[in-house]
Amino acid sequence: ETGVTQTPRHLVMGMTNKKSLKCEQHLGHNAMYWYKQSAKKPLELMFVYNFKEQTENNSVPSRFSPECPNSSHLFLHLHTLQPEDSALYLCASSQAALAGVLHHEQFFGPGTRLTVL
Amino acid sequence: DQQVKQNSPSLSVQEGRISILNCDYTNSMFDYFLWYKKYPAEGPTFLISISSIKDKNEDGRFTVFLNKSAKHLSLHIVPSQPGDSAVYFCAASRRDYGGSQGNLIFGKGTKLSVKP
Repeated sequence: ETGVTQTPRHLVMGMTNKKSLKCEQHLGHNAMYWYKQSAKKPLELMFVYNFKEQTENNSVPSRFSPECPNSSHLFLHLHTLQPEDSALYLCASSQAALAGVLHHEQFFGPGTRLTVL
Repeated sequence: DQQVKQNSPSLSVQEGRISILNCDYTNSMFDYFLWYKKYPAEGPTFLISISSIKDKNEDGRFTVFLNKSAKHLSLHIVPSQPGDSAVYFCAASRRDYGGSQGNLIFGKGTKLSVKP
């Protein structure tokens, strides 16, 4: 596997289910991100991890719970979701922002298409 | 309030001609700008970027222009090819030492169709 992979690619769940999205990057990066893309909206940043530490939580409801066990893996645990949470969830990775080098391109996975019934 | 705006949801261009995709931003703290391309069922892929200290960056058929005074950037594709048909996202990043450095703010995207 190369680049950024995400599983599953498609997920249908009920509002009472608990599921997890998985992301893995094979690029040696130290920063990982979760984004949400809803229809006709821009990509919305949800969470950022730098060196396994969460550095950003963009006012995301607690029914979304991220986990970053190491720099290569990122999970998004889902429970008691609402139908409006149906969207494409994208994972990305990059080199971590370091003093003096603040900008790095992010590499995206293919996304998980989530439908909440 | 959207900080990065792509006001044209779609653009149709003839093969061989120039495609110009536009992007406006409101936050003067943004100092790095990127363009991503997205095909259906795939994640966005990085295309080209530009730092605010420059007004132009070129990579093959792709050129990005930045007009800081107008808070406007554009992506030019010359010549356009049918394989360029995709959704193009503009993104901006700001220098923020509070921990969010490097985080990207995206526009809604413009769907480019290049017709043979």
